[in-house]
Amino acid sequence: DSGVTQTPKHLITATGQRVTLRCSPRSGDLSVYWYQQSLDQGLQFLIQYYNGEERAKGNILERFSAQQFPDLHSELNLSSLELGDSALYFCASSAISNYGYTFGSGTRLTVV
Amino acid sequence: EDQVTQSPEALRLQEGESSSLNCSYTVSGLRGLFWYRQDPGKGPEFLFTLYSAGEEKEKERLKATLTKKESFLHITAPKPEDSATYLCAVQGGSEKLVFGKGTKLTVNP
Repeated sequence: DSGVTQTPKHLITATGQRVTLRCSPRSGDLSVYWYQQSLDQGLQFLIQYYNGEERAKGNILERFSAQQFPDLHSELNLSSLELGDSALYFCASSAISNYGYTFGSGTRLTVV
Repeated sequence: EDQVTQSPEALRLQEGESSSLNCSYTVSGLRGLFWYRQDPGKGPEFLFTLYSAGEEKEKERLKATLTKKESFLHITAPKPEDSATYLCAVQGGSEKLVFGKGTKLTVNP
């Protein structure tokens, strides 16, 4: 157990639907990062939050949004889902970023 | 833009057969180079951070080295349990890590 908790582990949904992925960071970590991993693209950075504020944005689609709550857990919202959104979505957290991140076990999203 | 290229994409070794994985990078102001191990369907597991050229770190059968343009992950006398995908990432001016696509290592008994 890495200390970063992601729920749900698996999600199957239809095109056009909206889902919410949840992440609880390691105790004491203020930064949360979201990554998407597909077979051909590898790990792609989506967005970072630090202590409730958006810190950096990557290749995140407009249909996707995220937030970090006062208790530091984070949610990634994916809407108007398309088949191509099927992927593993990872959350990671860090206390000091250049010491490396700790990743959760991911949410596997399948859009049918 | 920060970039990471890993080679080879896949590597098959016999148990005990040592080898090296390569990570070439371009980054504006390297803050750290990271190696992770990822098992199928699981999250990446942190292995090493290297901060400056010439630095080396070791953990069991793994040794990571860093130059100004690339990093190597040396695997000495690997065992089947070392089979995994090894990911390299760099951190430049921003806090985000930029990952390579990984090297899938298979160690046959």
